[in-house]
Amino acid sequence: AQSVTQPDIHITVSEGASLELRCNYSYGATPYLFWYVQSPGQGLQLLLKYFSGDTLVQGIKGFEAEFKRSQSSFNLRKPSVHWSDAAEYFCAVGLIYNQGGKLIFGQGTELSVKP
Amino acid sequence: DTEVTQTPKHLVMGMTNKKSLKCEQHMGHRAMYWYKQKAKKPPELMFVYSYEKLSINESVPSRFSPECPNSSLLNLHLHALQPEDSALYLCASSQDSQGPGNTIYFGEGSWLTVV
Repeated sequence: AQSVTQPDIHITVSEGASLELRCNYSYGATPYLFWYVQSPGQGLQLLLKYFSGDTLVQGIKGFEAEFKRSQSSFNLRKPSVHWSDAAEYFCAVGLIYNQGGKLIFGQGTELSVKP
Repeated sequence: DTEVTQTPKHLVMGMTNKKSLKCEQHMGHRAMYWYKQKAKKPPELMFVYSYEKLSINESVPSRFSPECPNSSLLNLHLHALQPEDSALYLCASSQDSQGPGNTIYFGEGSWLTVV
């Protein structure tokens, strides 16, 4: 069955430090992968997506993610974290479902940023 | 900035009330979605409309009734809800629902409290 695992429920980093959020997926075919961010009390904002081609994907707000097929991973990175990056981050895989599209989400990683 | 607009942002309703959540998008998307999100959990798919027709119902109780008056509008009618239905309700849209690669864009959500 298709699934997405985010191993880290909560991560704390210092402002200015680098960040890596982990995401592993289980999917039989070529996956379509997404990272969304959700600030407290807000909706989900798309950070970046991977469909095909270059395995290093650039997104908004200085984020990037790398697709590694051999490791079934799609980790999110940022070289220098800002206090405003504190939020919940969701990794998701898109799949065909009942003649439609559907997102399978991981459980999310909550990011806290220390001053 | 999201181009999916949801109203109201907050709604408090009694268990015998009838209310509606509204969603609008002007991106020319032909697929629209309702998701439900409980605190500290990922969003869960409820309904998918594709070209104004209901294509996916994730076994949602009949006290939730979706409606798609046209390709830009999506409503969720609420009746006889239970306190456990209190959650953030997210509307989303995508170019269409066919194919896992369609990027899904979310609104800011409507916070529903059932008393």
